[in-house]
Amino acid sequence: NAGVTQTPKFQVLKTGQSMTLQCAQDMNHEYMSWYRQDPGMGLRLIHYSVGAGITDQGEVPNGYNVSRSTTEDFPLRLLSAAPSQTSVYFCATYGTGVGEQYFGPGTRLTVT
Amino acid sequence: AQSVTQLDSQVPVFEEAPVELRCNYSSSVSVYLFWYVQYPNQGLQLLLKYLSGSTLVKGINGFEAEFNKSQTSFHLRKPSVHISDTAEYFCAVSDRTGANNLFFGTGTRLTVIP
Repeated sequence: NAGVTQTPKFQVLKTGQSMTLQCAQDMNHEYMSWYRQDPGMGLRLIHYSVGAGITDQGEVPNGYNVSRSTTEDFPLRLLSAAPSQTSVYFCATYGTGVGEQYFGPGTRLTVT
Repeated sequence: AQSVTQLDSQVPVFEEAPVELRCNYSSSVSVYLFWYVQYPNQGLQLLLKYLSGSTLVKGINGFEAEFNKSQTSFHLRKPSVHISDTAEYFCAVSDRTGANNLFFGTGTRLTVIP
C-alpha cells in the first residue's frame, strides 16, 4: 500500500498561473483534507471532503478549488496563483474509527 | 471553535536530558488530542493520540503525554532525548466531528545539543 501520495513534490509558478496539486490514497478512507503549512503558523485547513461528491471549506479556502469525484483522489486547484500561496501543501486522509489522520509527503509550492 | 497554543517556539536541550513541550488548547466541546512530529524536509508523523480513557498516553520513540482536562493541557514529555529527536513538534486537536479536521498549534522546534 502506498498510503497517501502527492504530486508534484516541488513546483514553481508565476503569479497568475493555474495548476492542480494531486492527492491520491489507497486506504479506502472516506475523509480527505488539504492543509497548508507556513513558517510560524503551523498547518491550516484549506478544504476537506467527507466522501465522493461532497466538499466543504476549511479555515483558509480563498484562492483554492477542490472536487471529489472518486474515493481515491482529491485534487487541489489554484485558479490564479499569488505569492501569498507560496507554502507547503499537505493532503491527509481519515477513516472512521481510526482516530488519526494520515498525511502525504507534501508539495512545496513557490509563486514568484 | 478550537485553538491550540504551543507556548515555546524553540526548545534547546542537551542530549540525554529530559524535555517537556507544552501545549494548551481551547474548545467548547470535547476534543481528541494529538502530537505530530516533522523531521526536516519530511511530512508529519503521528507520535501519540488521546481519544479517551487513561489520561497518560504513550507514543512512539519513548514519548508520552498527559491529558489534563482541568488545565486544558496536553504536554509532551521524554525522559532522555537523543540527537535523532531533533525535529519540529506539533500539537493538534480535533472536534470529534465526522471529518476529524485538525487545528494545529504553531509548532515547537526541538534541538538536541550533543
